[in-house]
Amino acid sequence: EVQLLESGGGLVQPGGSLRLSCAASGFTFSSYGISWVRQAPGKGLEWVSAISGSGGNTYHADSVKGRFTISRDNSKNTLYLQMNSLRAEDTATYYCAKGSSNWYFDSWGQGTLVTVSS
Amino acid sequence: EIVMTQSPATLSVSPGERATLSCRASQSVSSNLAWYQQKRGQAPRLLIYGASTRATGIPARFSGSGSGTEFTLTISSLQSEDFAVYYCQQYNNWPLTFGGGTKVEIK
Repeated sequence: EVQLLESGGGLVQPGGSLRLSCAASGFTFSSYGISWVRQAPGKGLEWVSAISGSGGNTYHADSVKGRFTISRDNSKNTLYLQMNSLRAEDTATYYCAKGSSNWYFDSWGQGTLVTVSS
Repeated sequence: EIVMTQSPATLSVSPGERATLSCRASQSVSSNLAWYQQKRGQAPRLLIYGASTRATGIPARFSGSGSGTEFTLTISSLQSEDFAVYYCQQYNNWPLTFGGGTKVEIK
């Protein structure tokens, strides 16, 4: 059974940094691309970042480009999101989502809440 | 960026009735379109990919159709557990984009 478990969320001040982690199990981690998708309170889904199975290709939404960095450690079956220069509009639940044969998401974690506020 | 527009924003349907949800892309995404269901307080769940292929374990009452810029998700006979928010997502181009969602509520 595929499991994705996010951690690292919390309250951070504007301009601060946070690193999210997503621990994966139940599948061959290095064979699949994985993304971060976020959802602001009461709002819809927004794709944030994606990384290929090998880690050689990364993609970021314009809204986070230059501030967020996605990475993975295939030896630890773990995905990361380093978030710098955080803004109030980054407040959201952050989900990690496993890609399938293409960039749609067949498994999702339960999410971790990031709140950016002074 | 490809903009995905879902309509209606809210759909009021009685149990047992048919629900038809629409998703329009601002440019062609071929058949690279997925649908997700999200219930309150839960993570999204994949329903449909490739515009019309049901994901593993998804009941046959869910069906998807369309290609290019116009897509439809049909729920043939709504069950109580189907009342939720539904999102479409294109994966034809970067950045990946989601529609704003359609909330299916009990009439």
